[in-house]
Amino acid sequence: GNSVTQMEGPVTLSEEAFLTINCTYTATGYPSLFWYVQYPGEGLQLLLKATKADDKGSNKGFEATYRKETTSFHLEKGSVQVSDSAVYFCALRPGGGSNYKLTFGKGTLLTVNP
Amino acid sequence: DVKVTQSSRYLVKRTGEKVFLECVQDMDHENMFWYRQDPGLGLRLIYFSYDVKMKEKGDIPEGYSVSREKKERFSLILESASTNQTSMYLCASSLLSKGSEQYFGPGTRLTVT
Repeated sequence: GNSVTQMEGPVTLSEEAFLTINCTYTATGYPSLFWYVQYPGEGLQLLLKATKADDKGSNKGFEATYRKETTSFHLEKGSVQVSDSAVYFCALRPGGGSNYKLTFGKGTLLTVNP
Repeated sequence: DVKVTQSSRYLVKRTGEKVFLECVQDMDHENMFWYRQDPGLGLRLIYFSYDVKMKEKGDIPEGYSVSREKKERFSLILESASTNQTSMYLCASSLLSKGSEQYFGPGTRLTVT
């Protein structure tokens, strides 16, 4: 079946540090990959996506590259801010079939200190 | 901006009560979803609807039902609440053509005592 594995949190960084949150997946075919973010007290928001191998999704200074050879979609940001403190979810949509069915990772809590 | 609103942020109910969780979206999205979010388990899909009066079971539909009488409104019903249904419930919506680009509400934290 389909699954997403994220690095265990929580992750605590100082402002301006480099961020990596690892995400690997198991899926048949060619899934689409997503990162969602959940800020405190809010619903999840789509942060970025990639629909095919070697695509790079980017938004708000965050980037992730779809690596089919390593089945990975790691989230990176060069310099985090306090306002980036949130829970980050990696997700996949299987290739083919329905276009709505997402499989989410368990989430990684990021805390950025001033 | 798409807005998805949920009727309550916090709800406390007793075992055996019938519970209604309401969700409204204002962007004319065809798809609506109900998830539950539990620590260590991530998000799990309960039910999905792609049109008025249409619904599909998700991964964990047992103990739940849904109602979609109007396009903008999607209700989750717990016929007889149990303590193992204590959880955070998230509603989401999306366009039919972009089903996996989902917009989420802030969630309802339900406690069943």
